[in-house]
Amino acid sequence: QITLKESGPTLVKPTQTLTLTCSLSGFSVSTSGVGVGWIRQPPGKALEWLALIYWDDDKRYSPSLKSRLTITKDTYRNQVVLTMTNMDPVDTATYYCAHRPLDGYLFDYWGQGTLVTVSS
Amino acid sequence: SYVLTQPPSVSVAPGETARITCVGDNIGIKSVHWYQQKPGQAPVLVICYDTDRPSGIPERFSGSNSGNTATLTISRVEAGDEADYSCQVWDSNSDHPVVFGGGTKLTVL
Repeated sequence: QITLKESGPTLVKPTQTLTLTCSLSGFSVSTSGVGVGWIRQPPGKALEWLALIYWDDDKRYSPSLKSRLTITKDTYRNQVVLTMTNMDPVDTATYYCAHRPLDGYLFDYWGQGTLVTVSS
Repeated sequence: SYVLTQPPSVSVAPGETARITCVGDNIGIKSVHWYQQKPGQAPVLVICYDTDRPSGIPERFSGSNSGNTATLTISRVEAGDEADYSCQVWDSNSDHPVVFGGGTKLTVL
């Protein structure tokens, strides 16, 4: 059974760096063809894709946020970590991690999401 | 980057058919996926690769994709179908490979 769970701070101050961890179960982040993505959703707004990391450590970032994002994977802990620098109140959102299946072009399993509020 | 446009809202009476559109340039040549999201919950995949239903999704949910429009159709709508629905495409050759539509709020009257 595939599950994902996000963890990290619920409140960050403007200009701070956000670090979110996605803990994986039921699959390995190093399984050929697999990917893990991060998607966010500001309150009342649409889903926005942020970043994606593949099993072979290939990475993709949203062009509009690329300068602020870093995605990494920890094969031993079976986790994926997203860092976002220079946080701003407009970054307040629920952040989700999601599983991209073998050779798939979608996200078939999602974490429950974690709400991050940016405020001083 | 590629843009997907959805109507903000669709309303339908119970038992009727709801159709939610997703418009994109020549979207018919891409694979479209649909997610259902209820308040306070994570998105759930309801249609993949234009027309396929993942395991556990009722047959009332169907999809189509042609030209510049993809459509999610929900037949015999139930109160429990009230949710936000978002379309998504994946363009591996783009610097923005994952694109979501703006979402549509389905209201069951």
